[in-house]
Amino acid sequence: KAGVTQTPRYLIKTRGQQVTLSCSPISGHRSVSWYQQTPGQGLQFLFEYFSETQRNKGNFPGRFSGRQFSNSRSEMNVSTLELGDSALYLCASLAGGSTDTQYFGPGTRLTVL
Amino acid sequence: DAKTTQPTSMDCAEGRAANLPCNHSTISGNEYVYWYRQIHSQGPQYIIHGLKNNETNEMASLIITEDRKSSTLILPHATLRDTAVYYCIVRFLSGNTPLVFGKGTRLSVIA
Repeated sequence: KAGVTQTPRYLIKTRGQQVTLSCSPISGHRSVSWYQQTPGQGLQFLFEYFSETQRNKGNFPGRFSGRQFSNSRSEMNVSTLELGDSALYLCASLAGGSTDTQYFGPGTRLTVL
Repeated sequence: DAKTTQPTSMDCAEGRAANLPCNHSTISGNEYVYWYRQIHSQGPQYIIHGLKNNETNEMASLIITEDRKSSTLILPHATLRDTAVYYCIVRFLSGNTPLVFGKGTRLSVIA
C-alpha cells in the first residue's frame, strides 16, 4: 500500500496570507489527524477527522481549520499567517478501531516570512 | 502534557543493542505504550506498541515491566540509520485519542 502523502512538501508564504495543505491517507484509512511541529513546542496535535467529521481538536486558535472529504482526503487551512506558524505540518492516518496505529506522512514544511 | 519521561540523549555503538528506557508511572490500565522515531525533518515512523506483554517485530522489541510503570525499547543491532529521536507515548484505547509527544530521546549511533 502507498503511504500517507502530503502536498506540497515545502511552502513559503508571507505574514497575513492564508495557506491550504493537503493530506491523502493510506488507502482504506478513514481517520486523518494533523500535527504541528516547531522547535520550541515540539509535536502538537491540531485536530482529527473521521468520516468527514471533526472528532477531536487541540488547543490552537480558530485560524487553524480543517476538513475531510468523502474519499478521506483532508485539507487544513491556516488564515492570516503569523511568523510563529512556521513549522512542519504532519498528517497521520489510521483505519479506525480501538488500538489503531497512526502512520505519518512526510510533512509539509511551511515558512512564513 | 506528555505522561512519559525519557533521557534527553543516548549514544550507541554500531552493531550493539540500543536500549532506550521510558518511565510512565501514571499509566492507566487501558493505556498502551507506543514508540515512534523521527529521523531529521521526516514524519515520525511507527515502531511498536504494547499493553502489558513484551512485544517484538522486525524493527524492535518492547519490554514492559510487570507494574507497567516503565518500558524499554530495544534495537537489537543498531545501525547508523537508526540515529533519530525516539518518542515513547502512552495512549488511551480509543481510535480518536491523539498522540501526545514529549521531547523524546535523541539516539546517536556511532561507527
